[in-house]
Amino acid sequence: DTGVSQDPRHKITKRGQNVTFRCDPISEHNRLYWYRQTLGQGPEFLTYFQNEAQLEKSRLLSDRFSAERPKGSFSTLEIQRTEQGDSAMYLCASSLTAGSDEQYFGPGTRLTVT
Amino acid sequence: GQNIDQPTEMTATEGAIVQINCTYQTSGFNGLFWYQQHAGEAPTFLSYNVLDGLEEKGRFSSFLSRSKGYSYLLLKELQMKDSASYLCAVRGGRGSTLGRLYFGRGTQLTVWP
Repeated sequence: DTGVSQDPRHKITKRGQNVTFRCDPISEHNRLYWYRQTLGQGPEFLTYFQNEAQLEKSRLLSDRFSAERPKGSFSTLEIQRTEQGDSAMYLCASSLTAGSDEQYFGPGTRLTVT
Repeated sequence: GQNIDQPTEMTATEGAIVQINCTYQTSGFNGLFWYQQHAGEAPTFLSYNVLDGLEEKGRFSSFLSRSKGYSYLLLKELQMKDSASYLCAVRGGRGSTLGRLYFGRGTQLTVWP
């Protein structure tokens, strides 16, 4: 399969626990984006990478959130000390370049914090 | 700042034509995208406009007027499977915003038989 994949697809965790999500972009894509989507809203930008470099972080990304993309391939998004407000769909997308290509989205990881 | 507006809900009947409007005010612009999203699924790409005018792809067409900050998505010969949320997104055009997408809230389209 040559699409964007995310793991896990669903995660239920208790408040205060740490969680980590993984995203595998389309193999030749240099750009990787993380978005968060809550019910009834469009996706909101969290952060993005150009290869292994994290170029920007949204103000939505508190210090409990950290993302990495070692070697410019897969990426991980970690949330520490989860809160109920973190419950959302976390979407990963990749694109070949920054300015001229569409972003392809993965299936998302649905996080529920109880 | 970025502001993207689209109607929250629309309804239409099978076989009809529906137009979903989107207006935007963004600090940079490098294209406007329309995505379709079925409940519980990821957004899938429908269309892309970077120049003014109409782009047609089968039953779907998208129009852009950059001077007016306006776009619409036109769906023809509606089918039940077109019931979904339609997301308008503007791509940032300069500096650190280059490439990132700013999404509207989405328009939930319901197609009735």
